[in-house]
Amino acid sequence: KQEVTQIPAALSVPEGENLVLNCSFTDSAIYNLQWFRQDPGKGLTSLLLIQSSQREQTSGRLNASLDKSSGRSTLYIAASQPGDSATYLCAVINQFYFGTGTSLTVIP
Amino acid sequence: EAQVTQNPRYLITVTGKKLTVTCSQNMNHEYMSWYRQDPGLGLRQIYYSMNVEVTDKGDVPEGYKVSRKEKRNFPLILESPSPNQTSLYFCASSLFAGVLEELFFGEGSRLTVL
Repeated sequence: KQEVTQIPAALSVPEGENLVLNCSFTDSAIYNLQWFRQDPGKGLTSLLLIQSSQREQTSGRLNASLDKSSGRSTLYIAASQPGDSATYLCAVINQFYFGTGTSLTVIP
Repeated sequence: EAQVTQNPRYLITVTGKKLTVTCSQNMNHEYMSWYRQDPGLGLRQIYYSMNVEVTDKGDVPEGYKVSRKEKRNFPLILESPSPNQTSLYFCASSLFAGVLEELFFGEGSRLTVL
């Protein structure tokens, strides 16, 4: 069974910093990988979808990379803002297996 | 607007009183699924459906039922709810066509079983 791990579980950074969130998975036979954002008590909002044939995707200040051979994906957030504070989850898609998320706090 | 709609959003009930959480999507998606989210445990899949009349158990199906009679609807049924089913529930859907793609989530249904 696929296992998805996100490290760190929590991260606190000052506003303006660039940061990297990590997602690792045990089975490299995935279709795609998707990053989500979840605000407390709310649903999941899709941030980026990386298809298995791609190595990265960008949206605004966000950049996600995928290395299937090493079982890793990273989400890079540039120039962090307090509004980026949320929990970030990755999901690997053959079935949908989720990591437990990284809780990000950006301090003004 | 493309969306996944869950109802009710909040529900407090008592042990043993049957309830149904509805889920509907307007994107003609083949794949639909239910998750529960609990602190420290993350998102765990309850049931999923690849298409109409096709449903399969996820990781935590005990105490739940589902049905997929129409493509757009995928209700979650708790025949006899218990307090350990108190959780935040999410319905999600994805276009299948042989390869699972982007997953779209509903807003969530917070269930409390007393």
